[in-house]
Amino acid sequence: ETGVTQSPTHLIKTRGQQVTLRCSSQSGHNTVSWYQQALGQGPQFIFQYYREEENGRGNFPPRFSGLQFPNYSSELNVNALELDDSALYLCASTPAGGNSPLHFGNGTRLTVT
Amino acid sequence: GNSVTQMEGPVTLSEEAFLTINCTYTATGYPSLFWYVQYPGEGLQLLLKATKADDKGSNKGFEATYRKETTSFHLEKGSVQVSDSAVYFCALSRISSGSARQLTFGSGTQLTVLP
Repeated sequence: ETGVTQSPTHLIKTRGQQVTLRCSSQSGHNTVSWYQQALGQGPQFIFQYYREEENGRGNFPPRFSGLQFPNYSSELNVNALELDDSALYLCASTPAGGNSPLHFGNGTRLTVT
Repeated sequence: GNSVTQMEGPVTLSEEAFLTINCTYTATGYPSLFWYVQYPGEGLQLLLKATKADDKGSNKGFEATYRKETTSFHLEKGSVQVSDSAVYFCALSRISSGSARQLTFGSGTQLTVLP
């Protein structure tokens, strides 16, 4: 089965710009979550999408937004980039309901200069 | 709120040594507990999990027991290998507002195993 894939793997942006990160969920998984992992830290929950709607959000400002598509793939958009947005962004997918573990992609490394 | 506290690293061991990485948590209700491992340049991989008190998760020689009375989920391995070198994250799972299942992670513990 195909795992979670993310693109691009690396990205460099300038402060104030906007960025879109992409994620294809694992086959059969209809729930997608996004996490931000700053250097040397544990991942922090940004939000989760189920049936193309956001159904949970962590402590991130509105300039972090997302989409989920009918094929369950997802995008993370960040507007007005700040230097502190530099991090590894991880996408994770899971089947809906129950207590199935999250399956993570390898992440997108975003550097804001 | 929910939180996870992990033993600070880095931890350096010789091959075949015994490993313990401490993890304690604060949570309302009865969260599920996980250990994830992250190898250089990769995402997180689930190592093991436990969903209720006294459950023992195990995988690849690693074990952890869900201790509700001490709110702990310490990771152990009897004999580490060089290939176990990675960053280990303890995490708990809860249902957030809107029914999303959210993981709360510790800050990670870097393990280096020397031959």
